[in-house]
Amino acid sequence: NAGVTQTPKFQVLKTGQSMTLQCAQDMNHNSMYWYRQDPGMGLRLIYYSASEGTTDKGEVPNGYNVSRLNKREFSLRLESAAPSQTSVYFCASSEATGNIQYFGAGTRLSVL
Amino acid sequence: AQSVTQLGSHVSVSEGALVLLRCNYSSSVPPYLFWYVQYPNQGLQLLLKYTSAATLVKGINGFEAEFKKSETSFHLTKPSAHMSDAAEYFCAVSEYNFNKFYFGSGTKLNVKP
Repeated sequence: NAGVTQTPKFQVLKTGQSMTLQCAQDMNHNSMYWYRQDPGMGLRLIYYSASEGTTDKGEVPNGYNVSRLNKREFSLRLESAAPSQTSVYFCASSEATGNIQYFGAGTRLSVL
Repeated sequence: AQSVTQLGSHVSVSEGALVLLRCNYSSSVPPYLFWYVQYPNQGLQLLLKYTSAATLVKGINGFEAEFKKSETSFHLTKPSAHMSDAAEYFCAVSEYNFNKFYFGSGTKLNVKP
């Protein structure tokens, strides 16, 4: 049982490059989330999708876009990466908003 | 917006000692409250969840937390620390409409032999 799978696990980008972080869950969950984790700041919500076909901004959405491709997949795109986006990114899913969230192992991104 | 405050970014205890990790939240209505644990290079795992039933919530690995509305607190405790408890712990609160979670800044627990 894979749970929440994130790819890639590590990535190094140059300033201005673009990339997409992939997330897939196999638990048939309705809601999916993207967070970033920075030292001393906990997790901050970037975007979430309460259900297939809907997305909403979280606490720190600037510089990011998301796509809820289908019920299983929720991708996060950086169109023009900046050093301030160096972080660890976590995807999570839950049966419904407010329920227990299940997290992926994270993507460690460095922007030089 | 909600806010979550975790007092102490680092806590160190001896093996067998009491673990107390503090969490305070700001909310005008009873929220849903969570404690998560993160081991190095891993994602977060749920320890326990408060959902307005019993104020004392028992979680996995011997942890428990008590919801105190008057103090807007949800402190995490464990009577006897084990070396395997060394990790980072996050308190989280969800908004009334459950669409968003707010996490505290985390507390790293060190357990000394």
